[in-house]
Amino acid sequence: AQSVTQLDSQVPVFEEAPVELRCNYSSSVSVYLFWYVQYPNQGLQLLLKYLSGSTLVESINGFEAEFNKSQTSFHLRKPSVHISDTAEYFCAVSETTDKLIFGTGTRLQVFP
Amino acid sequence: DAMVIQNPRYQVTQFGKPVTLSCSQTLNHNVMYWYQQKSSQAPKLLFHYYDKDFNNEADTPDNFQSRRPNTSFCFLDIRSPGLGDAAMYLCATSRLGASGTYEQYFGPGTRLTVT
Repeated sequence: AQSVTQLDSQVPVFEEAPVELRCNYSSSVSVYLFWYVQYPNQGLQLLLKYLSGSTLVESINGFEAEFNKSQTSFHLRKPSVHISDTAEYFCAVSETTDKLIFGTGTRLQVFP
Repeated sequence: DAMVIQNPRYQVTQFGKPVTLSCSQTLNHNVMYWYQQKSSQAPKLLFHYYDKDFNNEADTPDNFQSRRPNTSFCFLDIRSPGLGDAAMYLCATSRLGASGTYEQYFGPGTRLTVT
């Protein structure tokens, strides 16, 4: 069965520092991987996704994630965070179904 | 812009008083989902429609019902809200993409308070 593990429930970091949010998954078949961001009292916004092809995917606001099949990971990184990146980040996995399996989320708190 | 719309954004209801949350979409997606999200937790899928076919999750309480009168609209009915049903309710839509997966688009959510 699919599962997603986000080991870090909270990640505090200072502004302009690099950050990595970890995501590991378990699945016996090929998967599609997603990172969603949720700002307070808002819905989830798709940040980036891995469907196929290049294992390194990027978002428009400087985040990137790398699909590592051997380590079953899809960690999210940003070289320099901004205050506005403070939010909850959810990793999600899908096989060839119309459902997503979410991780428990990581709260990124950026301090000035 | 094509989008997923949820009304109202904030809803207050009384214990035991039926409440309906609504979701509409302009994306023309054939799949629509309802999630419940409690504070500091991941969204929990309640049910979803694949076209007109209703798919209930095994652990969704009977207190939660849904209607999808057409492609664009989907409703979540809570027949007798309890204090434990206070949460953010998220609607999402998707369709099968060229990649072979369903990419979900979320609405802004409705925060339900039960008094």
